[in-house]
Amino acid sequence: RKEVEQDPGPFNVPEGATVAFNCTYSNSASQSFFWYRQDCRKEPKLLMSVYSSGNEDGRFTAQLNRASQYISLLIRDSKLSDSATYLCVVTGIGDYKLSFGAGTTVTVRA
Amino acid sequence: DAGVTQSPTHLIKTRGQQVTLRCSPISGHKSVSWYQQVLGQGPQFIFQYYEKEERGRGNFPDRFSARQFPNYSSELNVNALLLGDSALYLCASSPESRAYTFGSGTRLTVV
Repeated sequence: RKEVEQDPGPFNVPEGATVAFNCTYSNSASQSFFWYRQDCRKEPKLLMSVYSSGNEDGRFTAQLNRASQYISLLIRDSKLSDSATYLCVVTGIGDYKLSFGAGTTVTVRA
Repeated sequence: DAGVTQSPTHLIKTRGQQVTLRCSPISGHKSVSWYQQVLGQGPQFIFQYYEKEERGRGNFPDRFSARQFPNYSSELNVNALLLGDSALYLCASSPESRAYTFGSGTRLTVV
């Protein structure tokens, strides 16, 4: 079983729509959780950390469910510039290794 | 401030050859990590170095090795290249852990 699994999509949504997707992780001892964004043929960039209480950053909302071992990301009022691959990332004990999912592709159309 | 810089940006090698990839972390960052990203997959952890010591190693063969220098820059070496080593190699730096910043990567093609 993979450490982090994501729905690959693609999610194809119109501008202004809301899109949401999840990822699941296998190690119950995972300590930290993140969403990274990766544009085509570019490096991953940190979008936001994910906290147990849930957190928002503008149009982006992240949730963590430790009991069910899943993380979600919701994007409201989608913009064309939100088109990217979103990578779910968890770390284990010691926090030195990032475990990435394969990514969820989102395409926002005009 | 300069971000994480990697060189070269692109590289083409022949099977069986050896390659060295280089990374300069953000100034003040003592931790450098290496990741391999094959097309269509997420990055896979190869190594982390902190204060010139190897802190962790991923599930990669011994053909992969790395080191960190006193100025915290790092090199990743891959020997006896295989076609399957073709990938984007990413370097990330952080002050200690978490808050990783990635470089733009070296795209290695093995033919």
